[in-house]
Amino acid sequence: QVQLEESGPGLVKASGTLSLMCTVSGYPISNGYYWGWIRQPPGKGLEYIGTIYHTGSSYYNPALKTRLTMTVDTSTNQFSLKLSSVTAADTAVYYCARDYYDNSGYDEWGQGILVTVSS
Amino acid sequence: QSVLTQPPSVSAAPGQRVSISCSGSSSNIGNHYVSWFQQLPGTAPKLIIYDNDRRPSGISDRFSGSKSATSATLGITGLQTGDEADYYCATWDSTLSAGVFGGGTRVTVL
Repeated sequence: QVQLEESGPGLVKASGTLSLMCTVSGYPISNGYYWGWIRQPPGKGLEYIGTIYHTGSSYYNPALKTRLTMTVDTSTNQFSLKLSSVTAADTAVYYCARDYYDNSGYDEWGQGILVTVSS
Repeated sequence: QSVLTQPPSVSAAPGQRVSISCSGSSSNIGNHYVSWFQQLPGTAPKLIIYDNDRRPSGISDRFSGSKSATSATLGITGLQTGDEADYYCATWDSTLSAGVFGGGTRVTVL
């Protein structure tokens, strides 16, 4: 079955860059679908970060666009997230997910990774 | 605040029915399919409704979805203690060219 797993540092210094990787198993990213990142600040709701296709075509949350870069590597079946100039407001659980049904129909999710931005 | 508006909380007794509304606009719900997610404490969200009213395999038929104009509704019948969770609606927004989520609704079983 399809599995997604987030990896990366759990602690990032303020003004630094948050970098996360999502490793997909059980399904080749090159076969299609959009792959996304969603985050959830402690005690708050879900926030769309962005989605990327296996061709590299991507969509970003306008509020994060100037700080965000997403890439995909079909040879390793991974996609990644880089968010620059982070502040405490970027502290959240970050999830990667597959947008199987389009229109934010994420059918498979990673378990999430907590990233804390420290001052 | 969120692009999609949900009530912060709803509650009902076991066995009863609850409805959760999700209000948007023509740039999102009005022209795109809506999904719903259930998030149990400490876990990742789980897709329970997609394409407005379709259930993924394995999701109980106690969960139902509907859409009318720029609003969507999630219904849960035969409420169980295991249904206590946060529920989120989501869709695409053409103006933003981005996905959008509702603020979430906490369901409490009295």
